[in-house]
Amino acid sequence: NAGVTQTPKFRVLKTGQSMTLLCAQDMNHEYMYWYRQDPGMGLRLIHYSVGEGTTAKGEVPDGYNVSRLKKQNFLLGLESAAPSQTSVYFCASRETGRGHSPLHFGNGTRLTVT
Amino acid sequence: DAKTTQPTSMDCAEGRAANLPCNHSTISGNEYVYWYRQIHSQGPQYIIHGLKNNETNEMASLIITEDRKSSTLILPHATLRDTAVYYCIVTQGGSEKLVFGKGTKLTVNP
Repeated sequence: NAGVTQTPKFRVLKTGQSMTLLCAQDMNHEYMYWYRQDPGMGLRLIHYSVGEGTTAKGEVPDGYNVSRLKKQNFLLGLESAAPSQTSVYFCASRETGRGHSPLHFGNGTRLTVT
Repeated sequence: DAKTTQPTSMDCAEGRAANLPCNHSTISGNEYVYWYRQIHSQGPQYIIHGLKNNETNEMASLIITEDRKSSTLILPHATLRDTAVYYCIVTQGGSEKLVFGKGTKLTVNP
């Protein structure tokens, strides 16, 4: 049981390049989330999904797209990377709520855009 | 979901109890209080949660005031490995959108 796995762990992009970050969970969770974390800041929600085939915007969605074609995977795409997107990206998942449902996080993807 | 207010930073001596406060004055009746921590640059880790009653597990205790407008996370015997950023969030059990604040940076000193 691996929990939440993020790939890649590190990536360097040039401005204007595109890439996709992959998040995979093996806990059969319905809800999945993408957050970004910048130095001195807390976690900011980019997009989230409440089930296969659904996505929704979080606090800072601009410049990102997401897809949830399979329940276990949540993809975060950058179509045209900008230096402002240099950050650490965390994926998380949780069960649907019937009462208590904590988040399970991956270990992050460190992205640098030059 | 209700917003939370936490101090930016706190210090604690190793072996002493660390008491981390969180204010959530706009909490509603069906919202839970959750605590997470983030050690260095790892992914955040769930610590504990509560609704109305005080809770204790192997990691920490959670004290929620009777009016539920604030809570305190207690690490009974802090160690150097407890140095981390601690996040308090308030949310309904099945809430879709989970928003974090900046948390409290706890430094445990030898």
